[in-house]
Amino acid sequence: QSVLTQPPSASGTPGQRVTISCSGSISNIGTNTVNWYQQLPGTAPKLLIYTYNQRPSGVPDRFSGSKSGTSASLAISGLQSEDEAAYYCAAWDVSLSGWVFGGGTKVTVL
Amino acid sequence: EVQVLESGGNLVQPGGSLRLSCAASGFSFSTYAMSWVRQAPGKGLEWVAGITGSGNNAYYADSVKGRFTISRDNSKNTVYLQMNSLRAEDTALYYCAKYGYHVNSALSGDHWGQGTLVTVSS
Repeated sequence: QSVLTQPPSASGTPGQRVTISCSGSISNIGTNTVNWYQQLPGTAPKLLIYTYNQRPSGVPDRFSGSKSGTSASLAISGLQSEDEAAYYCAAWDVSLSGWVFGGGTKVTVL
Repeated sequence: EVQVLESGGNLVQPGGSLRLSCAASGFSFSTYAMSWVRQAPGKGLEWVAGITGSGNNAYYADSVKGRFTISRDNSKNTVYLQMNSLRAEDTALYYCAKYGYHVNSALSGDHWGQGTLVTVSS
């Protein structure tokens, strides 16, 4: 059971907008920033979003993040076939003094 | 170019020990925290341990506290994970990742290795 809660799956057709939620608590999302990672099949995770909505260089602006209270969201606009991957949210938890991850959301492009 | 390369994964019996290594290059190693993150077969990501750039502070997930020890040698640009009292549930691909100026920095996990496989089985 993950500390952060994500839906196990999401899907959309090419060009659509897909949103993934991440629910936590005051000790993690409510207090600290949220990161999002993308993991393509058979590869290492890649940092997609940090500090709620900042993108490392090279990450397309189709990816955006937001936070409200103890929840966060990742939005993928203009969905493309290469976006088919697992997406994980993560946040520092002050009570645990460690990072916690969501269980991951598998995005399928129909 | 930042590079992170893990090694040391192997098949080990329950109760046994193993030490993983992570060699990093392409950045000012001692300036940045490093972490180990694992992924059991077919499962999600689990943060295991993190260490500050100086090596003075280490943090652990409850699932490994008291059994695993993270350390680093800044003269060798290498971080280690000593794993003792291994259990079947520790079986996973172990990733090493560059974190931020502190273990809990926002810009964390911006570079990852390809992982090293640890299998705990008799």
